[in-house]
Amino acid sequence: EAGVAQSPRYKIIEKRQSVAFWCNPISGHATLYWYQQILGQGPKLLIQFQNNGVVDDSQLPKDRFSAERLKGVDSTLKIQPAKLEDSAVYLCASPDRSGANVLTFGAGSRLTVL
Amino acid sequence: AQSVAQPEDQVNVAEGNPLTVKCTYSVSGNPYLFWYVQYPNRGLQFLLKYITGDNLVKGSYGFEAEFNKSQTSFHLKKPSALVSDSALYFCAVRPLYNFNKFYFGSGTKLNVKP
Repeated sequence: EAGVAQSPRYKIIEKRQSVAFWCNPISGHATLYWYQQILGQGPKLLIQFQNNGVVDDSQLPKDRFSAERLKGVDSTLKIQPAKLEDSAVYLCASPDRSGANVLTFGAGSRLTVL
Repeated sequence: AQSVAQPEDQVNVAEGNPLTVKCTYSVSGNPYLFWYVQYPNRGLQFLLKYITGDNLVKGSYGFEAEFNKSQTSFHLKKPSALVSDSALYFCAVRPLYNFNKFYFGSGTKLNVKP
């Protein structure tokens, strides 16, 4: 996961509370992705940024999820208010330094909503 | 609609035996194809990819994958499994017409027993 930093690694909250996750992708890359990985499922794209603009947020539950990438570098994903079904690992990714064909993922932020 | 299928939730194999993890896809055109591995509490790590050329591609840790266009499959293989190969494996596709989109399968848990 070298090159994509995420925090916190683990978070436990109660439903209706809010939470924020932070990602710092591979330095200099314009594209950043947030994925949601529910236990037993593959990663599902939540939002894609190109620099500080949103390219695709069609699967982001916008009534409760928001994300920003203010300076085109690091990004924050927020959930407010959280629901039980938001329990998942939130993965940040960006294309690796070899080119745009391969994604490099962070270690993820595991959210448990009680 | 684009989709990636990994028909087996779990594959069990004895150490030293060959292993196969199956993947089929439904994507228009000739997509790029990938395999990623996920160890517990870690993000996804790139294993190998197929873009064009030889149907058999070799990747990290002795893994290889065979692309079959007529069957739209991209099965992951290894001639001799190791206990340390035990992990979650994800197949992913990237359509040529939508270069920034990655679609992931639901994952296959590989268990290699000593």
